[in-house]
Amino acid sequence: SQELEQSPQSLIVQEGKNLTINCTSSKTLYGLYWYKQKYGEGLIFLMMLQKGGEEKSHEKITAKLDEKKQQSSLHITASQPSHAGIYLCGAPPGGSNYKLTFGKGTLLTVNP
Amino acid sequence: KAGVTQTPRYLIKTRGQQVTLSCSPISGHRSVSWYQQTPGQGLQFLFEYFSETQRNKGNFPGRFSGRQFSNSRSEMNVSTLELGDSALYLCAPPDRGGLGYGYTFGSGTRLTVV
Repeated sequence: SQELEQSPQSLIVQEGKNLTINCTSSKTLYGLYWYKQKYGEGLIFLMMLQKGGEEKSHEKITAKLDEKKQQSSLHITASQPSHAGIYLCGAPPGGSNYKLTFGKGTLLTVNP
Repeated sequence: KAGVTQTPRYLIKTRGQQVTLSCSPISGHRSVSWYQQTPGQGLQFLFEYFSETQRNKGNFPGRFSGRQFSNSRSEMNVSTLELGDSALYLCAPPDRGGLGYGYTFGSGTRLTVV
């Protein structure tokens, strides 16, 4: 079965600093979803990457997909307290069209 | 824009009881998937319903079941609750078309079993 490993598990940064979260898959990636979650709440969809080399940006968040490395990275520029939360990556195992396998998440704390 | 609605938001039950959670997905979606999120196991797929039929199931015991109605609303039921069933339960219509808008999750139901 496919496993997604996220690193780091937790991250504390000072407001204004840049940061990167990585998601590495044990098997071929057929797409990669990034979500943000506030503790105990639902998942907020950030972006989806489908093709190797694809890069998407939304406001100060950029995500890239490296198909060869079976890896995706999420980069936040000039972090703000509003960026704090748990970031989760998810991927359709074997290209499944009905479910996602998720990483364990990265807890981001942004200190003002 | 209507989103995925899950009710109730919070629930406390006693071990041995049963519970029913509700999910109303975005209008027009014929499919809904359920997930369980716990601190130890993270997010895990429970099952998927498509056009009122369970099409796929995750690795959970038979105490976990669900149903889907003709209006795409879905329910999941957990019988004979155990302490380990305490979790956040989430539902979402799958992104079957790969359209890139992602699985749109509800806010979840936080179930606490005491």
